[in-house]
Amino acid sequence: EAEVAQSPRYKITEKSQAVAFWCDPISGHATLYWYRQILGQGPELLVQFQDESVVDDSQLPKDRFSAERLKGVDSTLKIQPAELGDSAMYLCASSKHGSGNTIYFGEGSWLTVV
Amino acid sequence: GESVGLHLPTLSVQEGDNSIINCAYSNSASDYFIWYKQESGKGPQFIIDIRSNMDKRQGQRVTVLLNKTVKHLSLQIAATQPGDSAVYFCAENIDQAGTALIFGKGTTLSVSS
Repeated sequence: EAEVAQSPRYKITEKSQAVAFWCDPISGHATLYWYRQILGQGPELLVQFQDESVVDDSQLPKDRFSAERLKGVDSTLKIQPAELGDSAMYLCASSKHGSGNTIYFGEGSWLTVV
Repeated sequence: GESVGLHLPTLSVQEGDNSIINCAYSNSASDYFIWYKQESGKGPQFIIDIRSNMDKRQGQRVTVLLNKTVKHLSLQIAATQPGDSAVYFCAENIDQAGTALIFGKGTTLSVSS
């Protein structure tokens, strides 16, 4: 069964350092999402891509977060500089195209900022 | 079986009981809904979905009910097993609008044997 791949699974970084997460969606899925999930809460959208274009990044803290999907396949989410409040799980998800199609999540990348 | 009328953050049931997890969604324009199961330390796992032109949809041991009048969604799990213990989230969006899923508050289901 195809899966959304994410790496690294766990990352510990010091505040003010840079950190990056990588996601490879299910093959053929045009829509890719990055969500952030704080412990005990539901996932919240950071950014949504349709192919290589950003569809929604209204909730992305653009002063420190950036995301790209240059070739419309895999994607990278970067945080620079990391802050203590960024400690969370970063989830990547994908779907065939747009809404109304099943959205599948990866296993997530746990970030701890110390 | 155990059931709740309102969303509760936790639900404890005995193995073999039926479980009902409730969710109130926020946007009356939403027309696509998904239930996810999330085990500790893992990403959300798709369970079942339903579109607004349906009131009920059944899967293997799971049933989702949709009441658009009161913007309420429920997930019924038959013969609950210890492996069903997890956090369950409902999510909504507007079909064809290109919007991302919005997640509700999770319910932690604990199944004791």
